[in-house]
Amino acid sequence: SQTIHQWPATLVQPVGSPLSLECTVEGTSNPNLYWYRQAAGRGLQLLFYSVGIGQISSEVPQNLSASRPQDRQFILSSKKLLLSDSGFYLCAFVAGGYTGELFFGEGSRLTVL
Amino acid sequence: DQQVKQNSPSLSVQEGRISILNCDYTNSMFDYFLWYKKYPAEGPTFLISISSIKDKNEDGRFTVFLNKSAKHLSLHIVPSQPGDSAVYFCAASGTYKYIFGTGTRLKVLA
Repeated sequence: SQTIHQWPATLVQPVGSPLSLECTVEGTSNPNLYWYRQAAGRGLQLLFYSVGIGQISSEVPQNLSASRPQDRQFILSSKKLLLSDSGFYLCAFVAGGYTGELFFGEGSRLTVL
Repeated sequence: DQQVKQNSPSLSVQEGRISILNCDYTNSMFDYFLWYKKYPAEGPTFLISISSIKDKNEDGRFTVFLNKSAKHLSLHIVPSQPGDSAVYFCAASGTYKYIFGTGTRLKVLA
């Protein structure tokens, strides 16, 4: 069966510190991968998506970046966090070669102080 | 530019009655539409979807209607149950992207 995991679940970081959130998918090959952010009281904002290894599309210019070092691994990073980076980050995937249901991970709560 | 809009931030419905959640989109290139249910601090859970070649899809208590000419879709929940209380997001997909609305908080009153 297809599963998705992301970690850490909770993170409290000072302003200016780096960030790394990791996501892995199992049970499918060549998935399309996504990072979303939900700020407090807001909707789901698409940050990045990837249709293959090393292929990253950015939707919102900001101090975040994404990488896909392996087929089923997606990483969200920042070199220096801002207060406005606080939020609930969600990784998601669609099974390879398929347009359909987007499966979400459990989410990572980031608080920048 | 918000391509997917849910204009009602909240909705209250009596248990057993119908809940209707609405969603509008602007991009005619979207060809696949989905509804998700979300609880706080959890990832969204898929409910139902519809392709642009259809105008209705039904799954148990959930029915999604698509009006392409009006660029509008709606989710009907019948009968509504207290366990349906959550935030509901619509999403539209095209060319690999999935764009979400801002959500509607549904409260089903017992």
